[in-house]
Amino acid sequence: NAGVTQTPKFRVLKTGQSMTLLCAQDMNHEYMYWYRQDPGMGLRLIHYSVGEGTTAKGEVPDGYNVSRLKKQNFLLGLESAAPSQTSVYFCASSPTRGTYNEQFFGPGTRLTVL
Amino acid sequence: RKEVEQDPGPFNVPEGATVAFNCTYSNSASQSFFWYRQDCRKEPKLLMSVYSSGNEDGRFTAQLNRASQYISLLIRDSKLSDSATYLCVVNPGVEYGNKLVFGAGTILRVKS
Repeated sequence: NAGVTQTPKFRVLKTGQSMTLLCAQDMNHEYMYWYRQDPGMGLRLIHYSVGEGTTAKGEVPDGYNVSRLKKQNFLLGLESAAPSQTSVYFCASSPTRGTYNEQFFGPGTRLTVL
Repeated sequence: RKEVEQDPGPFNVPEGATVAFNCTYSNSASQSFFWYRQDCRKEPKLLMSVYSSGNEDGRFTAQLNRASQYISLLIRDSKLSDSATYLCVVNPGVEYGNKLVFGAGTILRVKS
């Protein structure tokens, strides 16, 4: 049981390049989330999904797209990377969206955009 | 005003000390509350949920004051392994999509 995994762990991009971050969970969780974490700021929600085939915008969705074609996978895409997207990206999942449900996080992807 | 505010610290304490963190939240309708722990360059992990009646887990005690809209975490008999960033987390509720709102974190450093 690997929990939540993220690929890649590190990446350096040039401005304007594109990339996809992959999140996978083997806990059969319905809900998945993408966050970014920047120094001095809390985790901010980018997009989330309440089930296979569904996605919704979070607090900071601009410049990102997501897809949830399979229940266990949640992809985050950057179509044209900008230096402002330099950050640590965390994926998380939870069994339901109940108010006291724990979110389980992946190890993070450190992205630098030059 | 940030939705969830914490003193960033760092709190530098000796082993064995008792340390307390506070956190305030702006949405009075918030429904659930948590403390997560994040080690350096690692992912956040749930430390404990915070209930209205207060709750304790070993050396850790969490309190919620809905009237004043603040949450506290007390750590007794601090260990070196308690050194981490502690994130205060609030769920504003169903009408906000049950999405968690994270504070920026409080850094704790326990020294021998």
